[in-house]
Amino acid sequence: GESVGLHLPTLSVQEGDNSIINCAYSNSASDYFIWYKQESGKGPQFIIDIRSNMDKRQGQRVTVLLNKTVKHLSLQIAATQPGDSAVYFCAENNDYKLSFGAGTTVTVRA
Amino acid sequence: GAVVSQHPSRVICKSGTSVKIECRSLDFQATTMFWYRQFPKQSLMLMATSNEGSKATYEQGVEKDKFLINHASLTLSTLTVTSAHPEDSSFYICSARGFNSGGNQPQHFGDGTRLSIL
Repeated sequence: GESVGLHLPTLSVQEGDNSIINCAYSNSASDYFIWYKQESGKGPQFIIDIRSNMDKRQGQRVTVLLNKTVKHLSLQIAATQPGDSAVYFCAENNDYKLSFGAGTTVTVRA
Repeated sequence: GAVVSQHPSRVICKSGTSVKIECRSLDFQATTMFWYRQFPKQSLMLMATSNEGSKATYEQGVEKDKFLINHASLTLSTLTVTSAHPEDSSFYICSARGFNSGGNQPQHFGDGTRLSIL
């Protein structure tokens, strides 16, 4: 079946720089997308979401961009901090079920 | 808001034991909860959808007699791993669907249960 995937498994970023995490999805019928952050030994933590009728949504230090033409989703983190080190998952919602991508491990260098 | 509590956080038990994991929505009602399984360095795999007052819906390949789900109230779902064996060792995570200010319905997750079967 169709699933959500991520372009890069790891991302190393200098503290203070901006981070961009990418995600490609394949189900053009998906109408809702969510980014989660998972720290070691914990459950995923909701970061930000976006519906398919939007192309951009901003939160505190985070921005999600949605390009439905190429079925691409990205998460931008401004001024990355050590506490941002974690695994980031994009998730695609269909019929109230979530399909998760493989995850990108973000490591912040001091 | 939207806090999901999962208990216990870690279980170590002998092969053949049945283990019950609880998932509670603390500050909202959840007619639907979800159970996931996650292997090390892998993504989350949906096991089943737990519906309050009715039978759970299992994903393909998940044994319903092995993983018993009960959702008896709007704030509690339980997953029982029956006659657990070493291959059942994994990280089990529950979630509940709530509402955010935008009217969307993100799933909010518990902190998972690390199950180790000896």
